[in-house]
Amino acid sequence: AQSVTQLDSQVPVFEEAPVELRCNYSSSVSVYLFWYVQYPNQGLQLLLKYLSGSTLVKGINGFEAEFNKSQTSFHLRKPSVHISDTAEYFCAVRRGSTGFQKLVFGTGTRLLVSP
Amino acid sequence: ETGVTQSPTHLIKTRGQQVTLRCSSQSGHNTVSWYQQALGQGPQFIFQYYREEENGRGNFPPRFSGLQFPNYSSELNVNALELDDSALYLCASFAAGGLETQYFGPGTRLLVL
Repeated sequence: AQSVTQLDSQVPVFEEAPVELRCNYSSSVSVYLFWYVQYPNQGLQLLLKYLSGSTLVKGINGFEAEFNKSQTSFHLRKPSVHISDTAEYFCAVRRGSTGFQKLVFGTGTRLLVSP
Repeated sequence: ETGVTQSPTHLIKTRGQQVTLRCSSQSGHNTVSWYQQALGQGPQFIFQYYREEENGRGNFPPRFSGLQFPNYSSELNVNALELDDSALYLCASFAAGGLETQYFGPGTRLLVL
């Protein structure tokens, strides 16, 4: 079975500063990895995903993430955050194959961007 | 916009009642998953329907059930509501068989009193 750990429940940062949100996963099989963002009172929006190939994945809104198989990590980064990036961010994993596609989510990291 | 809609947006029920939540998927998406997101938690997988049949289930009791219809709509039914059922319920649709991304709806927030 797969599991996801997001070590930071909350990350405060000033506007225009860089940020990294950490995600570690555990799995005995190959996995696909995702980052979703949830704005207040809204559903989940996909930021980026890693399926295969280049370990550096670029997503929407200037976010990127790096898949590190040896450290079983998939940390999310942005070089300069905006106030509008304030939201809850979820890392998710699923089995790396076709067929049944259950997503396993972490508990989320709240990014708080202040002026 | 993901093209996935859910209704109602908010709902208040009392313990013991039954509730039906609805989801309308994108055209062509033959698979829908339902998730429960309790306050301050990540979404938890409830079950998945593929071509109108359940093909995967998480750790939820049988009083959570679902239906999927040919017109890309689906329902989540919860019987004998408990206080702990209070949560945001999310549906996600996709076209199974490949590596399709799951597209989430905005959710239905259920409060059980």
